[in-house]
Amino acid sequence: DTAVSQTPKYLVTQMGNDKSIKCEQNLGHDTMYWYKQDSKKFLKIMFSYNNKELIINETVPNRFSPKSPDKAHLNLHINSLELGDSAVYFCASSRGGNTEAFFGQGTRLTVV
Amino acid sequence: GNSVTQMEGPVTLSEEAFLTINCTYTATGYPSLFWYVQYPGEGLQLLLKATKADDKGSNKGFEATYRKETTSFHLEKGSVQVSDSAVYFCALSDSDYKLSFGAGTTVTVRA
Repeated sequence: DTAVSQTPKYLVTQMGNDKSIKCEQNLGHDTMYWYKQDSKKFLKIMFSYNNKELIINETVPNRFSPKSPDKAHLNLHINSLELGDSAVYFCASSRGGNTEAFFGQGTRLTVV
Repeated sequence: GNSVTQMEGPVTLSEEAFLTINCTYTATGYPSLFWYVQYPGEGLQLLLKATKADDKGSNKGFEATYRKETTSFHLEKGSVQVSDSAVYFCALSDSDYKLSFGAGTTVTVRA
């Protein structure tokens, strides 16, 4: 039983395309996140949702649009992909502030 | 804002050596502190945590103690194995609905 699952695991696409990454958690958590990990392994918060409401949008270009249809899902849609968007994107969930987060396996996005 | 500073890597050790990775933090409130581990090609796994001052987190032979007076949460293991080769991240969570991570430390253990 995977606690936080995201699909696809790998995504190779051309510049200018639009793509989506899906994330689901079965932990009953209220808070979900998207993180971006660059080639140097640095992890940066992109978005944080609590009870389907956007809490944090950390200066992410508006080509990135998260959508939370319900508390168990947080999808990430990316328009007009650029080379610099190549990274590993992690979805995570938690019970809220001051608690640990559980991470998905990551989506390796390669823009060519 | 909150921030985490951890020891730069990479770190290369021989099997059975002692490992320590330094981590210090800055926080406005009373955060919880975590160590995560990322094995090659995988996601992040929680290794251990501590939620208040003087708490010691431990798991799989790793330990870290929450030191409020020095704002530190250093990770230690007495005898590393090849299977401990991974990237280790120190992180904190406050009431601000996000985890703040350190830059990560790559550890390689040679047989």
